[in-house]
Amino acid sequence: GENVEQHPSTLSVQEGDSAVIKCTYSDSASNYFPWYKQELGKGPQLIIDIRSNVGEKKDQRIAVTLNKTAKHFSLHITETQPEDSAVYFCAASKGAGSYQLTFGKGTKLSVIP
Amino acid sequence: SQTIHQWPATLVQPVGSPLSLECTVEGTSNPNLYWYRQAAGRGLQLLFYSVGIGQISSEVPQNLSASRPQDRQFILSSKKLLLSDSGFYLCAWVRDYLPYEQYFGPGTRLTVT
Repeated sequence: GENVEQHPSTLSVQEGDSAVIKCTYSDSASNYFPWYKQELGKGPQLIIDIRSNVGEKKDQRIAVTLNKTAKHFSLHITETQPEDSAVYFCAASKGAGSYQLTFGKGTKLSVIP
Repeated sequence: SQTIHQWPATLVQPVGSPLSLECTVEGTSNPNLYWYRQAAGRGLQLLFYSVGIGQISSEVPQNLSASRPQDRQFILSSKKLLLSDSGFYLCAWVRDYLPYEQYFGPGTRLTVT
């Protein structure tokens, strides 16, 4: 089955700096890659996703890039703010059938004011 | 718009007691539904998923069970709770059309004492 590795497990950045979280996947048939943000005590929130027919997608300060050949994808957050502090999860799926997602283990991002 | 509800929000139960957690989705029909468990500071563990009424697939053998008595209702149960059942339980649903995004509910915090 699919295996998703996520790095780093923790990340601290100064407010205003950029943060990058990287994930690799094992199943070349995976074609859908969402990212979730989970604040303390809440359910994960879908913040951005990318499909295998796109190399990059941007939404304001958040961007995701995908390298299908290398089977890795990354989340980029620019001009970080204290409210960006949370746990971020990457995931991968084949997008069909049960639409089941395989998640990375998460990255705890701390933005220091 | 679609909304996912979970209750109760928090629950403290003694070891050996039964459990029933409920998840309902509004604004969609025949969604794929999922139960996840998240231990403190850990990733997301898929427990069960359902593609329709009465159709349940188990990912992890344990003393938990799931049922789907109605199209938009998903229930997680146990006859006798263990200490190891403590955690944050999340319900999720997936759109049955492109882009097959998965959305999580607010979660139930279960503490087994």
